[in-house]
Amino acid sequence: DAGVIQSPRHEVTEMGQEVTLRCKPISGHNSLFWYRQTMMRGLELLIYFNNNVPIDDSGMPEDRFSAKMPNASFSTLKIQPSEPRDSAVYFCASRPLAGGADTQYFGPGTRLTVL
Amino acid sequence: AQSVTQLGSHVSVSEGALVLLRCNYSSSVPPYLFWYVQYPNQGLQLLLKYTSAATLVKGINGFEAEFKKSETSFHLTKPSAHMSDAAEYFCAVSGGTSYGKLTFGQGTILTVHP
Repeated sequence: DAGVIQSPRHEVTEMGQEVTLRCKPISGHNSLFWYRQTMMRGLELLIYFNNNVPIDDSGMPEDRFSAKMPNASFSTLKIQPSEPRDSAVYFCASRPLAGGADTQYFGPGTRLTVL
Repeated sequence: AQSVTQLGSHVSVSEGALVLLRCNYSSSVPPYLFWYVQYPNQGLQLLLKYTSAATLVKGINGFEAEFKKSETSFHLTKPSAHMSDAAEYFCAVSGGTSYGKLTFGQGTILTVHP
């Protein structure tokens, strides 16, 4: 199994530009999570999908952030317009079932730098 | 509401010494507890998890953790540290009706000296 795949691995952009991060979950997994990791705030859950439907987006910082999951094998996290404070590592994770005991499998992350 | 506190943002040990990383949790429902490890420039990898079966949980790379309800703790241990154990370790809790949302601690960076 290839694991969770994220692209790009690194992204450098200028303030005001649109950024799109991509995630391919593990095949057969029904749940998908987007996290953000920073030194100051640690790991934060941004949004959670179950069977392609957004269940909880209360962690999305503001309207500049949006996420979609058009099918079971693909999700995007978009930031428009980007700001320097969005610089962070963004992780995607997937899980087989919607249960609390199930393991979340993390991708390698996308390191975003907004200049 | 759930929360996790990891005591000590940095822990340093000598190779061959005992590793002890502390985690205390707060949960209004019976929790599921996880330890993840993150190596530099990589994603998080599951070390072990507690899901209400045995209270002593064994994981990969020789790590284990014990769930102690009375102390609301889930400390991670390894009898003998190896240089390859140097990484950041995260404790996380889930449970209740929040669809299994993981709440992470702030992480503990483990340094292993030769």
